[in-house]
Amino acid sequence: QITLKESGPTLVKPTQTLTLTCTFSGFSLTTSGVGVGWIRQPPGKALEWLALIYGNDDKSYSPSLKSRLIITKDTSKNQVVLTMTNMDPVDTATYYCAHKYGSGSYIGMDVWGQGTTVTVSS
Amino acid sequence: DIQMTQSPSSLSASVGDRVTITCRASQSVSNYLNWYQQKPGYAPKLLIYATTGLLRGVPSRFSGSGSGTDFTLTITSLQPEDFATYYCQQSFRDLTFGGGTKVEIK
Repeated sequence: QITLKESGPTLVKPTQTLTLTCTFSGFSLTTSGVGVGWIRQPPGKALEWLALIYGNDDKSYSPSLKSRLIITKDTSKNQVVLTMTNMDPVDTATYYCAHKYGSGSYIGMDVWGQGTTVTVSS
Repeated sequence: DIQMTQSPSSLSASVGDRVTITCRASQSVSNYLNWYQQKPGYAPKLLIYATTGLLRGVPSRFSGSGSGTDFTLTITSLQPEDFATYYCQQSFRDLTFGGGTKVEIK
């Protein structure tokens, strides 16, 4: 059974850097077709994809946020870490990590964490 | 960037109704199109993969169709548990979600 759980601060100040950790189980992030992504959702708004990392350490980022994001993995701990710099109140959202479905080139996220709510405020 | 536009943004329907939600891409995404269902306070659930592939455990009243830029999600007989918000998502280039369609009870 695949599970994922997000952790990190619930409150950050503007201009600070946010670090979120996704701890997963039930799969290994060591092969090229396997992936973990981050998606966020501001209150009452739509989903927004942020970043994706594969087992072979390939990474992809949202073009609009690429300059502010870094995604890494620690396979020994079964964790994926997302760092987002220069936080702003508009970054207030629920942040989800999710498992990439299947091993092919199609990318859908089939198992999601419960999400963690991050508020950006001074 | 590929933009995904869903219509309508919300709709009211009754149990038993046939519901169709459309998703349009700003450029062709081939069949790299997925559909999710999200209920308030919960993470999204992947329903349909690669335009037409129903995930295991998803009721057969859900179906997807389309290709290129125009896609549809159809629910043939709406059930009480189907009232939710639905999102399309392309993975042809990066990932982009649509703005969502909220299905409400009439």
